[in-house]
Amino acid sequence: DTAVSQTPKYLVTQMGNDKSIKCEQNLGHDTMYWYKQDSKKFLKIMFSYNNKELIINETVPNRFSPKSPDKAHLNLHINSLELGDSAVYFCASSLQGFNTEAFFGQGTRLTVV
Amino acid sequence: QQPVQSPQAVILREGEDAVINCSSSKALYSVHWYRQKHGEAPVFLMILLKGGEQKGHEKISASFNEKKQQSSLYLTASQLSYSGTYFCGTGRTGGFKTIFGAGTRLFVKA
Repeated sequence: DTAVSQTPKYLVTQMGNDKSIKCEQNLGHDTMYWYKQDSKKFLKIMFSYNNKELIINETVPNRFSPKSPDKAHLNLHINSLELGDSAVYFCASSLQGFNTEAFFGQGTRLTVV
Repeated sequence: QQPVQSPQAVILREGEDAVINCSSSKALYSVHWYRQKHGEAPVFLMILLKGGEQKGHEKISASFNEKKQQSSLYLTASQLSYSGTYFCGTGRTGGFKTIFGAGTRLFVKA
């Protein structure tokens, strides 16, 4: 069983399109995250949710909208995709907050052309 | 706020030791260490909490100097499987996020 699973693994799309990435964790964790890793491998937090509630929004453009229908799911919807959005997006979860280890999904490589 | 990691890259021969450093300009509550292999997700190595003890398992250990806001990861008798990018992540009291450093690329050759 995969602890944190993301779909799709690869996503190629044209500028201006809208796309979604789904994330599910079966670890019973309270906290979920979205991270963006750019071409220089810099891993930057985008959002943090705790018990379905948005805790952290790191000045991400409002074209990015996370949604957590329940504790086990955190999806990311992106409107009007831009070339600069190309990156690997990682979903992660931890038992509660940053004091506990985070488990990462396998990542979604988004390429905007 | 991003922690600073050093060195940026290191090349080792199998069996050699390495130290990766992580420092922050802000007071820290926790330091996390992760390793990421090419094309894969980051994998948790260990977490050190303020007031906690030095952590380690097998040949990888870490320390956390709260006063200096620094942490070091020690890799002893490196193996080929240690190759990858090592990230330190820092957390502050009351926060729900881990801020990662830029990473240290480690390459172990036979």
